[in-house]
Amino acid sequence: GAVVSQHPSRVICKSGTSVKIECRSLDFQATTMFWYRQFPKKSLMLMATSNEGSKATYEQGVEKDKFLINHASLTLSTLTVTSAHPEDSSFYICSARFRDRGAVHYGYTFGSGTRLTVV
Amino acid sequence: GESVGLHLPTLSVQEGDNSIINCAYSNSASDYFIWYKQESGKGPQFIIDIRSNMDKRQGQRVTVLLNKTVKHLSLQIAATQPGDSAVYFCAELHNTNAGKSTFGDGTTLTVKP
Repeated sequence: GAVVSQHPSRVICKSGTSVKIECRSLDFQATTMFWYRQFPKKSLMLMATSNEGSKATYEQGVEKDKFLINHASLTLSTLTVTSAHPEDSSFYICSARFRDRGAVHYGYTFGSGTRLTVV
Repeated sequence: GESVGLHLPTLSVQEGDNSIINCAYSNSASDYFIWYKQESGKGPQFIIDIRSNMDKRQGQRVTVLLNKTVKHLSLQIAATQPGDSAVYFCAELHNTNAGKSTFGDGTTLTVKP
């Protein structure tokens, strides 16, 4: 099945520093990936849609200069939280769209998430 | 605006009983619905999906029912096991291939031994 590997699983960083989160599709090519943010005991909130070879599409209210997304290859998308602050502490999750051979519709698979703590 | 929500934030069931988790959505144009399970500290895990041209779909121990008239979705888990304890989310997509999912708030299922 389609597997997405997300790293790191946990990261602690100091305020003002930047953190990069990677999301790789292991056995398929992901032309489209999605980045979500999740607060404790809350649902997933879509931050942006990442398309290979083009600029990401950000949801309303998400700062694109704060959350840099790069999707330079068909198997890798990265989210960089720049100049991190404590309020950026959250659980970040990537998702990729895939389509099995012969299938009409797409399926969606998720990474295991990254717990970011900014101190 | 659109929203996807669940009727109850928590559900506690006895091991072996059946569980029913409900979800209401507001966008009548939604054509694809997915149920996810999320364990603590992990990403969502696909359970089952259903498209708007269906009203029922069954998997292994799980059944999803879709009532488009009242915009209601439910997940039924048969013979609930301790390993089923998790947060369950419903998600809806307007266009199956566009990929933008709107997630409900989640229902925490606790299975008592």
